[in-house]
Amino acid sequence: AQTVTQSQPEMSVQEAETVTLSCTYDTSENNYYLFWYKQPPSRQMILVIRQEAYKQQNATENRFSVNFQKAAKSFSLKISDSQLGDTAMYFCAFMNTFGNEKLTFGTGTRLTIIP
Amino acid sequence: ETGVTQSPTHLIKTRGQQVTLRCSSQSGHNTVSWYQQALGQGPQFIFQYYREEENGRGNFPPRFSGLQFPNYSSELNVNALELDDSALYLCAIKVGSLNTDTQYFGPGTRLTVL
Repeated sequence: AQTVTQSQPEMSVQEAETVTLSCTYDTSENNYYLFWYKQPPSRQMILVIRQEAYKQQNATENRFSVNFQKAAKSFSLKISDSQLGDTAMYFCAFMNTFGNEKLTFGTGTRLTIIP
Repeated sequence: ETGVTQSPTHLIKTRGQQVTLRCSSQSGHNTVSWYQQALGQGPQFIFQYYREEENGRGNFPPRFSGLQFPNYSSELNVNALELDDSALYLCAIKVGSLNTDTQYFGPGTRLTVL
């Protein structure tokens, strides 16, 4: 069974600074998807960024980028020029490319952007 | 916005009762998944429906059941409610083939069992 570990329960950073959230996972599969989701206090889970394991290039979405290290099974999220609206819970999630489309989530990192 | 809606937003029930939670989307989809998110935890997969058939279940007992309808709505039913069922329940939809691309979540239903 796959597991996802987020070792940073809480983080805080000054507005406009850069912050990196860590995620490691365990799987025996070679092909899979990885995601970062953001859950603000309003609780709607919003997709931040996704990575397909067969792609070596790290995904980027505006201020958000990932560092995907497949051999190390590491998938960190970097937020550049952080903004107050980035304050939220961030969840790392794993999905197989076969069988049902179950997302396996980590326990989350609570990120606070300080004005 | 994802265009995924859930109702009700909040619900209070007592132990032993039954509850039905609903999910719908503005756009067509053929896959809907349900997740349970306990306070301070990540979501846990309950089950998934693909073209109105169950397509996988997580570690949840049979008193958790679901339905998916042709009109892009779906239901999560929980019988014989227990205190530990108190959680945020999220549905997620996806358009397209199995095992491709991204699931989009609704805002959730907060269930409290007393």
